[in-house]
Amino acid sequence: DQQVKQNSPSLSVQEGRISILNCDYTNSMFDYFLWYKKYPAEGPTFLISISSIKDKNEDGRFTVFLNKSAKHLSLHIVPSQPGDSAVYFCAPVGGATNKLIFGTGTLLAVQP
Amino acid sequence: DTAVSQTPKYLVTQMGNDKSIKCEQNLGHDTMYWYKQDSKKFLKIMFSYNNKELIINETVPNRFSPKSPDKAHLNLHINSLELGDSAVYFCASSQATEQFFGPGTRLTVL
Repeated sequence: DQQVKQNSPSLSVQEGRISILNCDYTNSMFDYFLWYKKYPAEGPTFLISISSIKDKNEDGRFTVFLNKSAKHLSLHIVPSQPGDSAVYFCAPVGGATNKLIFGTGTLLAVQP
Repeated sequence: DTAVSQTPKYLVTQMGNDKSIKCEQNLGHDTMYWYKQDSKKFLKIMFSYNNKELIINETVPNRFSPKSPDKAHLNLHINSLELGDSAVYFCASSQATEQFFGPGTRLTVL
């Protein structure tokens, strides 16, 4: 009963191109969404977030898009850099306790 | 000046033993969490404390007992370790929605 799915376990992109990571969720009550990036042997680090009252949030090379009706969000990275190679997790905030419900993760490999 | 630290980073132990993992944050946050990342890489919340008070307790076996001596520390004690407890355990803290994670503790039960 995975509430948050990232259907691409891995993605390979050339340096300089756009990376698009997708996330689907089932709970329409989610109203805040975070993206985390994780390098091997390290903890996840916060990347960017979006509130359900917006459909887009941009921070430098990173843009997150939210389609509430489709219960879908995506993270765009442009231009992609080799240092972006990591696992990316989508994490909606669930309920009043602020717990994060992590997606299954997508391993991004940016080829030089 | 590490924000969220965990000790130890690696822990190898035998089945049936009792072990503890410690977590400290120097960010002044009120809320701390424990997450488990299993062999399939799923990251799931286990517990959350706000100002030393338990606010989230997911369906975790009662062999796992969190303890928060003060709001900067949240330790995880595990009794009677089982093979299935092998995982990476992450501590996190937050003041608002964004959570800051520690480096993780890789627990291996033999």
